[in-house]
Amino acid sequence: EPEVTQTPSHQVTQMGQEVILRCVPISNHLYFYWYRQILGQKVEFLVSFYNNEISEKSEIFDDQFSVERPDGSNFTLKIRSTKLEDSAMYFCASSTQGRVEQFFGPGTRLTVL
Amino acid sequence: RKEVEQDPGPFNVPEGATVAFNCTYSNSASQSFFWYRQDCRKEPKLLMSVYSSGNEDGRFTAQLNRASQYISLLIRDSKLSDSATYLCVVNVDSWGKLQFGAGTQVVVTP
Repeated sequence: EPEVTQTPSHQVTQMGQEVILRCVPISNHLYFYWYRQILGQKVEFLVSFYNNEISEKSEIFDDQFSVERPDGSNFTLKIRSTKLEDSAMYFCASSTQGRVEQFFGPGTRLTVL
Repeated sequence: RKEVEQDPGPFNVPEGATVAFNCTYSNSASQSFFWYRQDCRKEPKLLMSVYSSGNEDGRFTAQLNRASQYISLLIRDSKLSDSATYLCVVNVDSWGKLQFGAGTQVVVTP
């Protein structure tokens, strides 16, 4: 069964450093997403991406965040200058259309020290 | 008012029993609804989509009440493996933005 994959599974970084989180969505999916979940809190939407551009972003997704689909398979989330409060689990998801079920990757646990 | 609200539980359920819980959502324009389950520190996994007419998938039954803006999930014949946090999830627009509830914890005991 096709699945979303993410790397790395755990990333530890120093405050102010740049991180890139990587995702490989399901191959025939067209819509891609990033969500985050701070420990003990609910899952929060960050950004949706369709047709090689951002279709929607949340208030959390400020100028420090960017997404890219550098080739036909990868989908990345970059945080330019990490803050302590960026520590969270980051989930990538994908779907065939905008209103149908989304499938989530296993997540990257980001720890900012 | 929270966008998606759920009773956090925990619901302690004897194995073989039935458990039901629901959630409410605030955005009346929401079009798609889902239940996901999440195990500790893992990703949300789709349990089932929720349709207006209600739908069943094995031991799981989901109902949607658009007028009252609530969604329910019923689990019959609970198994130990059903122990998890159940997330009520609402799709609020055509771009796929999902709003998550904080989850309802279910603990099935032998």
